[in-house]
Amino acid sequence: EAGVAQSPRYKIIEKRQSVAFWCNPISGHATLYWYQQILGQGPKLLIQFQNNGVVDDSQLPKDRFSAERLKGVDSTLKIQPAKLEDSAVYLCASSMHRDLTTGELFFGEGSRLTVL
Amino acid sequence: AQSVTQLGSHVSVSEGALVLLRCNYSSSVPPYLFWYVQYPNQGLQLLLKYTTGATLVKGINGFEAEFKKSETSFHLTKPSAHMSDAAEYFCAVRNQAGTALIFGKGTTLSVSS
Repeated sequence: EAGVAQSPRYKIIEKRQSVAFWCNPISGHATLYWYQQILGQGPKLLIQFQNNGVVDDSQLPKDRFSAERLKGVDSTLKIQPAKLEDSAVYLCASSMHRDLTTGELFFGEGSRLTVL
Repeated sequence: AQSVTQLGSHVSVSEGALVLLRCNYSSSVPPYLFWYVQYPNQGLQLLLKYTTGATLVKGINGFEAEFKKSETSFHLTKPSAHMSDAAEYFCAVRNQAGTALIFGKGTTLSVSS
């Protein structure tokens, strides 16, 4: 079974530039998550999708971050304009079910962003 | 609100020694607790989870954790460390809605020969 795919693995940009990250979840997984992992900290949930609808985006900085999952499969996370504090690893995860009582999150390898 | 606190950002052990990684949680509902491991340049991988039932949970690679409600703890242990256990370990609690995980800051485990 193929895992969660993310690209690019690494990206270096100047502040105020834009960047986009792509995620392809495990086939059949309805729930998709984007987490931000800053160096020395645990992953922080940015946004959660159920199929193509947003379940929770309360911690997404909406003035600069946006995310979509148009067909309920792949997802894109965009940052525009980037700030220095956005330097982090962006992790995509997926789950078969929205309720984690019986399910678990499967993570991709992450996209490491460096903002100079 | 749900949260987890991992005590000790870095733990060092010798190969063959006991591994103990500490996690305390706060939860307004019966907690569902998880331990994930992250090897360098890889994604997070589930080690084990507690939902309901038996309080001693066994996971992969010889790890286990015990849920102690009275102590609000979910510490991760392994009787004998192996060099391959060197990684970052994250404790997590399910959020109140039951749909996402809230992670601790992580503990880096180093194993020396």
